Formats: sequence, C-alpha cells, structure tokens
Amino acid sequence: DAGVIQSPRHEVTEMGQEVTLRCKPISGHDYLFWYRQTMMRGLELLIYFNNNVPIDDSGMPEDRFSAKMPNASFSTLKIQPSEPRDSAVYFCASSLWSGGEDTQYFGPGTRLTVL
Amino acid sequence: KQEVTQIPAALSVPEGENLVLNCSFTDSAIYNLQWFRQDPGKGLTSLLLIQSSQREQTSGRLNASLDKSSGRSTLYIAASQPGDSATYLCAVKWNRDDKIIFGKGTRLHILP
Repeated sequence: DAGVIQSPRHEVTEMGQEVTLRCKPISGHDYLFWYRQTMMRGLELLIYFNNNVPIDDSGMPEDRFSAKMPNASFSTLKIQPSEPRDSAVYFCASSLWSGGEDTQYFGPGTRLTVL
Repeated sequence: KQEVTQIPAALSVPEGENLVLNCSFTDSAIYNLQWFRQDPGKGLTSLLLIQSSQREQTSGRLNASLDKSSGRSTLYIAASQPGDSATYLCAVKWNRDDKIIFGKGTRLHILP
C-alpha cells in the first residue's frame, strides 16, 4: 500500500481565500484523523471519522473549518475564509481498529502558508 | 485536564551513547501509550505501542517502558546513531474511544 496520501504538499494562499486539503487513507482503514501542527501548540486533533461518519469535531477551531468524508477512500478539510493564523502543517492519519491495535498511520502533511 | 508532557524539548547526545527520553502524563488510568518518531518535513511514524496492561515493549534498539502509577513512560535508545536524529513524540489515549493526546516532543540530535 502507498500509505496515507495527502495533497497538496505545500499551499501558499492569501488571506480570505478558500483552501481545500485532501487525504486518501490506507485502504481498509476505518478511522481517519485530521491534525494540525504548529510550533506553539504542537500536534492537535481537529476531527476524526469512523466509517466515514464524523465522531468528534471538538478540535475544529471555528466555523471557518469544515471536513467531509464522502466515502472510505477520500476526505477533505476546508478552510473558508483562510487567515494568517491558520498557517501550519496539516496531517491526515488513518487507522484500523483491530483487537486494541489502533496505531495511526500518518500522511506526509500539507504545509499551509496564509499570507 | 489530561495532559502529556515531554522534557527536555531538545537533546544532543554523542553517537554511540545510550539515552532515555521521558514522557509524563496526568491521570494514570490510561488505555494505551505510543511513541512516535517525526523526521523534519515528514509525518509521524509509530515506533512502539504499550497497552495499559503492559510494562514495556521492545523493537530493535528501542525499549519503551510504562509506569502508570507514577504517570511516566521512557523511551530507551541503545547505541545511538546519527540516523536516530529526529523528534520523538509521546501520545496517550485514556479510553478506547478517546482521541490521542500528544506531547510536544523531544527533538533529538545525535552528534557524529
């Protein structure tokens, strides 16, 4: 398997623009996670899905952020409108819940810069 | 509040030395604990996962221990190599259906 795939790898945009980040989880995994990583706050969970259903979105910072998982092989994280403080690395991860082994496999991340 | 702390934030060690990275967590009733490695510009890679009922896990030169009563875990790296240079993150889950809480990591630099 190719692992978790994220696109784009880098995104530079101007304040106020819409940003869409994409993720393809590992085939067969039933959990998908979106994280944000900054120097100040470290790695924070934004939202996670189980079998394509959002389970916990309490980490989504505000209404400008939204996430969807229309099917088992694709998810998006959208920021509209974007602001400079959204600049961070956004990671997608997936896992398979199986007998307690719930290791998460991370994608390479999308580095977002909002000017 | 459930928190995971890693001290120090950065560590430099000469090649060949054995070293220990520390992780502490509030609330000892954890479900599991994981150690991850993150290389610059890359995602996280899981190294070791310790279930609540376990005391330690080993993989090659790595050994992770868990002491729930004191709220601590250590990652022991034997015979360190320059390729071990990376950021190491500790992550704790308190219940099966809970989200993972990550520490901010220890940035390790192995000096050739």
